[in-house]
Amino acid sequence: EPEVTQTPSHQVTQMGQEVILRCVPISNHLYFYWYRQILGQKVEFLVSFYNNEISEKSEIFDDQFSVERPDGSNFTLKIRSTKLEDSAMYFCASGTVSNQPQHFGDGTRLSIL
Amino acid sequence: GIQVEQSPPDLILQEGANSTLRCNFSDSVNNLQWFHQNPWGQLINLFYIPSGTKQNGRLSATTVATERYSLLYISSSQTTDSGVYFCAVVSNNNDMRFGAGTRLTVKP
Repeated sequence: EPEVTQTPSHQVTQMGQEVILRCVPISNHLYFYWYRQILGQKVEFLVSFYNNEISEKSEIFDDQFSVERPDGSNFTLKIRSTKLEDSAMYFCASGTVSNQPQHFGDGTRLSIL
Repeated sequence: GIQVEQSPPDLILQEGANSTLRCNFSDSVNNLQWFHQNPWGQLINLFYIPSGTKQNGRLSATTVATERYSLLYISSSQTTDSGVYFCAVVSNNNDMRFGAGTRLTVKP
């Protein structure tokens, strides 16, 4: 069964550094998403992406964050200048249409030192 | 935005027992999914169930969309069922909202 893949599985970065999290969605999917889960808390929506542009974003997704689909397969989340509070698990998801199930990757655990 | 409430927040069971987890949501939904987060942090999709009833082995789920709730049933629980169960919904916009989860512990 096709799956969403995320790399790396764990990223350790110094505060203030830029970080790029990578995702390869399922190949025929058109909708792409990023979510964040701070340790011990619930999963929070960050952004959705369709037709090469952001379709929805939450209040968490401020100017420090950006997303990109640089080629036909990758979907990336960039955090420009990381803060300690950016430490979390970041999940990528993809779906065929907006009201169909979203398929989640295994996540990237981001640790900011 | 839409509110998602799950109950109970914590549940401790003896192996072999049955349980029911509940998810209430505050508005009509286009999508509802139940996930199991395992000890490694992976979100495992259990059901896509915006309405109706589905069964998969020892697990089943029912969503009553008109009354804005969904139930997840776990029968003959096993220690491997332990973890956090999340309900997540998509309303008219495109963002998925998660509940706070039910933490299930199954004791041998």
